[in-house]
Amino acid sequence: ELKVEQNPLFLSMQEGKNYTIYCNYSTTSDRLYWYRQDPGKSLESLFVLLSNGAVKQEGRLMASLDTKARLSTLHITAAVHDLSATYFCAVGGAGGATNKLIFGTGTLLAVQP
Amino acid sequence: DAGVTQSPTHLIKTRGQQVTLRCSPKSGHDTVSWYQQALGQGPQFIFQYYEEEERQRGNFPDRFSGHQFPNYSSELNVNALLLGDSALYLCASSYNSGIATQYFGPGTRLLVL
Repeated sequence: ELKVEQNPLFLSMQEGKNYTIYCNYSTTSDRLYWYRQDPGKSLESLFVLLSNGAVKQEGRLMASLDTKARLSTLHITAAVHDLSATYFCAVGGAGGATNKLIFGTGTLLAVQP
Repeated sequence: DAGVTQSPTHLIKTRGQQVTLRCSPKSGHDTVSWYQQALGQGPQFIFQYYEEEERQRGNFPDRFSGHQFPNYSSELNVNALLLGDSALYLCASSYNSGIATQYFGPGTRLLVL
């Protein structure tokens, strides 16, 4: 059974600092998604990573995928308060047309001024 | 272009009752997935519908059932509600592709008393 683990679970960081969130998964998959969730809100799609070595960047966030290590990272550069949210990685859990997503536990990011 | 919509936004029920949640997918999407998100956890896959049929199911009891209509909208039904069914229920829509990004609706928050 596919398992997805994120760490850390909680991250408090100061504005202007850099940090990385890690997402490990237990079985082979070449589909990795990052979502953001604000308190009481739904999930917003951030990145889709579909191949080994894929790297995507949007603003202060950069995501990468290493399928051999079964690891994805979400790197935050020069954090700002607006980035405070919970970040989830999700792995595509089946092949073919079905795209069941298995989510990690989430990382609650709090950016302090 | 309207995104994924869900109704109602909030719902309070008592144990043993039945509930129906509704979802309209993003324009052009033909696949609908349902997830349950308990407080402080990542979403868990309930099932996915395509061409009006349940295509894949997560580890949820038969009390959870669904339906997809010809216009691709979907319903989630939960019978014999338990206290543990209290959660945010998220609907996600996508194209029929294993790599397609799933776009999430705002969710329905269900409280079972």
